Amino acid sequence: AQSVTQLDSQVPVFEEAPVELRCNYSSSVSVYLFWYVQYPNQGLQLLLKYLSGSTLVKGINGFEAEFNKSQTSFHLRKPSVHISDTAEYFCAVTNNQGGKLIFGQGTELSVKP
Amino acid sequence: KAGVTQTPRYLIKTRGQQVTLSCSPISGHRSVSWYQQTPGQGLQFLFEYFSETQRNKGNFPGRFSGRQFSNSRSEMNVSTLELGDSALYLCASSFLQGADEQYFGPGTRLTVT
Repeated sequence: AQSVTQLDSQVPVFEEAPVELRCNYSSSVSVYLFWYVQYPNQGLQLLLKYLSGSTLVKGINGFEAEFNKSQTSFHLRKPSVHISDTAEYFCAVTNNQGGKLIFGQGTELSVKP
Repeated sequence: KAGVTQTPRYLIKTRGQQVTLSCSPISGHRSVSWYQQTPGQGLQFLFEYFSETQRNKGNFPGRFSGRQFSNSRSEMNVSTLELGDSALYLCASSFLQGADEQYFGPGTRLTVT
């Protein structure tokens, strides 16, 4: 069975500081990994995805993530955050068996001025 | 191109009633998945439909059902509503079945009283 653990439920950070949101997964088969962002009262928006190839993935809004197979991690990073990045972030995993996404519990990013 | 649309956006029902939620995928997308989001359980996969067939199902009781029409639009139905069914129900569509990126709608907020 697959599972996803987001190691921090809340991450407070000051504007223009770097941030890392941590995500670990477990799976016995090859995985595909995603990061989604959810703003209040909205659905999920895809930030970036890892399907194969380069382990460093760049996404929208200046975010990037690195797939580390040996550590089964897929941490999300941004070198300088803005107030508008305040939202909840979800890491998700699936395999090639179907469209079922397994989500982590989410990390609430709070950017303070 | 229009995004995923869900109707209604908000719904209040009484325990014991049934409810039907609707999802229109992005034009050309043939796969539709449904998720339940609650503060306690997070995001949980309900089911996935592709070409009018259910391809994948999560661990929900039989009171939760769905279907997909020939135009890829999908509906989910919950019968005999319980207080615990109060949640945000999210629909996502993708072009292919499997590890294709999913685009989420804004969700339907269901409140059961």
